[in-house]
Amino acid sequence: EAGVAQSPRYKIIEKRQSVAFWCNPISGHATLYWYQQILGQGPKLLIQFQNNGVVDDSQLPKDRFSAERLKGVDSTLKIQPAKLEDSAVYLCASSIYSGNTGELFFGEGSRLTVL
Amino acid sequence: AQSVTQLGSHVSVSEGALVLLRCNYSSSVPPYLFWYVQYPNQGLQLLLKYTSAATLVKGINGFEAEFKKSETSFHLTKPSAHMSDAAEYFCAVLSGSARQLTFGSGTQLTVLP
Repeated sequence: EAGVAQSPRYKIIEKRQSVAFWCNPISGHATLYWYQQILGQGPKLLIQFQNNGVVDDSQLPKDRFSAERLKGVDSTLKIQPAKLEDSAVYLCASSIYSGNTGELFFGEGSRLTVL
Repeated sequence: AQSVTQLGSHVSVSEGALVLLRCNYSSSVPPYLFWYVQYPNQGLQLLLKYTSAATLVKGINGFEAEFKKSETSFHLTKPSAHMSDAAEYFCAVLSGSARQLTFGSGTQLTVLP
């Protein structure tokens, strides 16, 4: 069974530039999450989708971050304009469950460095 | 909101020695608790979960964790460390009105030969 796919694995940009990350969840998984993991910290939820609807985006900095999940499958997370503090690993995760059970499958992450 | 605190950001053990990674939770109601592991350059992987059934939970790769309500703890143990156990370990709890997964800050486990 294929896992959660993310790209790119690494991205270096300058502040005020834009960047986009892509995630393809495990086939059949209804729920998709984006987490931000800053060095030395645990992952922090940015947004949760169930199918193509947003369930929770309370911690997404909406002035610069946006995310979409068209057709309820793959998803894109965008940052525009990027700030230095956005340097982190962006993790995508998916779950077969519609409710939050805590049982998530994570991708390898996209590491962003903002200079 | 419920949270977890991991004591010790770095733990080193010798190969074959006991592994003990500490996690304490803050919760006024029975929590759902988890341990995830992150191997170098890989995504997080679920090790085990506690959902108010048995207090001793067994996970993959020989790990287990014991839920102790009196100590508000959910420590992760393994009797004998293997070199392949070197990774970062995260304790997590379902918290908030939306029952989202909230992670601790992680413990980096080093296994010495």
